[in-house]
Amino acid sequence: QQPVQSPQAVILREGEDAVINCSSSKALYSVHWYRQKHGEAPVFLMILLKGGEQKGHEKISASFNEKKQQSSLYLTASQLSYSGTYFCGSTNDYKLSFGAGTTVTVRA
Amino acid sequence: DAGITQSPRHKVTETGTPVTLRCHQTENHRYMYWYRQDPGHGLRLIHYSYGVKDTDKGEVSDGYSVSRSKTEDFLLTLESATSSQTSVYFCATRGGPSDEQYFGPGTRLTVT
Repeated sequence: QQPVQSPQAVILREGEDAVINCSSSKALYSVHWYRQKHGEAPVFLMILLKGGEQKGHEKISASFNEKKQQSSLYLTASQLSYSGTYFCGSTNDYKLSFGAGTTVTVRA
Repeated sequence: DAGITQSPRHKVTETGTPVTLRCHQTENHRYMYWYRQDPGHGLRLIHYSYGVKDTDKGEVSDGYSVSRSKTEDFLLTLESATSSQTSVYFCATRGGPSDEQYFGPGTRLTVT
């Protein structure tokens, strides 16, 4: 079952912050975050393995609340290069299922 | 990069014809996946493999079959292509220090 992401889309100006949420009706063992540029393949950003864990990639960080079965991705001081579609993925044994994605547009 | 290639990269086929997409990896990763990507649906898992000859269904497996006879190759077959299978297909492997997924470049399939 695919995790649910929100919002579907967000438009930012350079330097602004944004939060992307990911939730699942099933227990989350780990959460993956990927970013996809237009016309390209998704690229790995980070994985969160433990409840409450936070990780970072550039000025992009994420948190994972295992009890609430939720993860959030934080885009801080956004840059033009942050534009793209962000996907969260939840794992269940061998499977990795992705949400529908959040399209982020950063404007100068 | 995990050295993942997909072939063909683009294909146009007619309704009712069989189609096979190939995914090849050079990283010796155990897990391999096939996804389709359509606007508004994100990445949807079709089938996956957790070892040679070990495969299982994903969320949207109807009309698709897979085979994995070698670690490096994972084939996706559309037995009788339909217009609803027009999509971009991504292959992925899973491994590396963070157990992340690596995606191939994708195959754009059009069924007319």
